[in-house]
Amino acid sequence: ELKVEQNPLFLSMQEGKNYTIYCNYSTTSDRLYWYRQDPGKSLESLFVLLSNGAVKQEGRLMASLDTKARLSTLHITAAVHDLSATYFCAVDSRNNNDMRFGAGTRLTVKP
Amino acid sequence: DSGVTQTPKHLITATGQRVTLRCSPRSGDLSVYWYQQSLDQGLQFLIQYYNGEERAKGNILERFSAQQFPDLHSELNLSSLELGDSALYFCASSVGDSFTDTQYFGPGTRLTVL
Repeated sequence: ELKVEQNPLFLSMQEGKNYTIYCNYSTTSDRLYWYRQDPGKSLESLFVLLSNGAVKQEGRLMASLDTKARLSTLHITAAVHDLSATYFCAVDSRNNNDMRFGAGTRLTVKP
Repeated sequence: DSGVTQTPKHLITATGQRVTLRCSPRSGDLSVYWYQQSLDQGLQFLIQYYNGEERAKGNILERFSAQQFPDLHSELNLSSLELGDSALYFCASSVGDSFTDTQYFGPGTRLTVL
């Protein structure tokens, strides 16, 4: 069964600092997704990573994928308050046409 | 505003009842996805339709069903409701039929089962 684990689940960081969120998954997949959810709001697609070694960047967020280690990272550079949100990773299982989400990382950036 | 609309925004009903949630995709998008978000089970993918046909199926209960109509709007039907069905239900749409296409999410329908 496809399982996705994120850590940490809660992250409190100061503005200007760097940090990394980790996403591990249990089965072979080369398709990994990151989403953002603001409190009380809907989801927003951030990144789609489609191959081993894929790296994508948008502003202060950079996502990467290592399919051999079954690991994706979401790196936050010089955090600002606007990045406060919950971040989810998800993996799809092409064989089963299914998608599984991690539990989410609730990020709080403090001044 | 993603361009995806969902109705109603809130729904309160009783156990054993049946409800229908509606989703209208962005103009030009052919795929509709349904997701459930609850405190107990987190985010779960339920089902995807592409141009009227079921394309992918996730953790959707047998009590739940969905369809996509010729005008591409979709409905999610939830029947024999239980307390545990209380959740936020999101739909999303995309142009193509693959998960890898960027999905645009609606604001969600909050279902409360009493």
